[in-house]
Amino acid sequence: SYVLTQPPSVSVAPGKTASITCGGNNIGTKSVHWYQQKPGQAPVLVIYYDSDRPSGIPERFSGSNSGNTATLIISRVEAGDEADYYCQVWDRSGDHPVFGGGTKLSVL
Amino acid sequence: QVTLKESGPVLVKPTETLTLTCTVSGFSLSDATVGVSWIRQPPGKALEWLAHIFSIDEKSFSTSLKSRLTISKDTSKSQVVLTMANMDPVDTATYYCARIAPGNWFDPWGQGTLVTVSS
Repeated sequence: SYVLTQPPSVSVAPGKTASITCGGNNIGTKSVHWYQQKPGQAPVLVIYYDSDRPSGIPERFSGSNSGNTATLIISRVEAGDEADYYCQVWDRSGDHPVFGGGTKLSVL
Repeated sequence: QVTLKESGPVLVKPTETLTLTCTVSGFSLSDATVGVSWIRQPPGKALEWLAHIFSIDEKSFSTSLKSRLTISKDTSKSQVVLTMANMDPVDTATYYCARIAPGNWFDPWGQGTLVTVSS
């Protein structure tokens, strides 16, 4: 089955840019979606279709997807961005979603 | 406003069957463009997809859990029900239901319900 690989943790200073990667075989041919999950809360969609933002999500959140890596980019990081982030694709061969293992973003 | 809310027992004993209900509002389960998934998250661990159901009654299950899961919907009650048989302590997790958007992302999610398996 399809596997998505994320780094367990990423650290960034406030005001800097955080990049969270999601690796998968030819992931560039798939649509990637990203979720933010703060402690004790349900996940929230922050990016869909690789780089689109739902209403209410700050422009500081963006995404890219090419080759074997998709990336969630958070610009001008704030303390409130500290959370776990998960990538997700739909595995058409099995007709089911696949989640990455999650990345904990720490704001120094 | 689209919302989903999970309900069910907070504690189940090993070998028992878990029944969880997801009550939705703001959209119809007969809408041909959407579905509902169940996803769980053991404490401190990653998200794990369990099952989904679409309006045409198309269903799909996690390969590793397929033998233990059933999913059904009651359109008139706006509810999706998941059952998981033969519960084990490793099944202790927060269980979420989420709407599947036409582009196959999940939005929104329910608040989740923590289920503990213990004798």
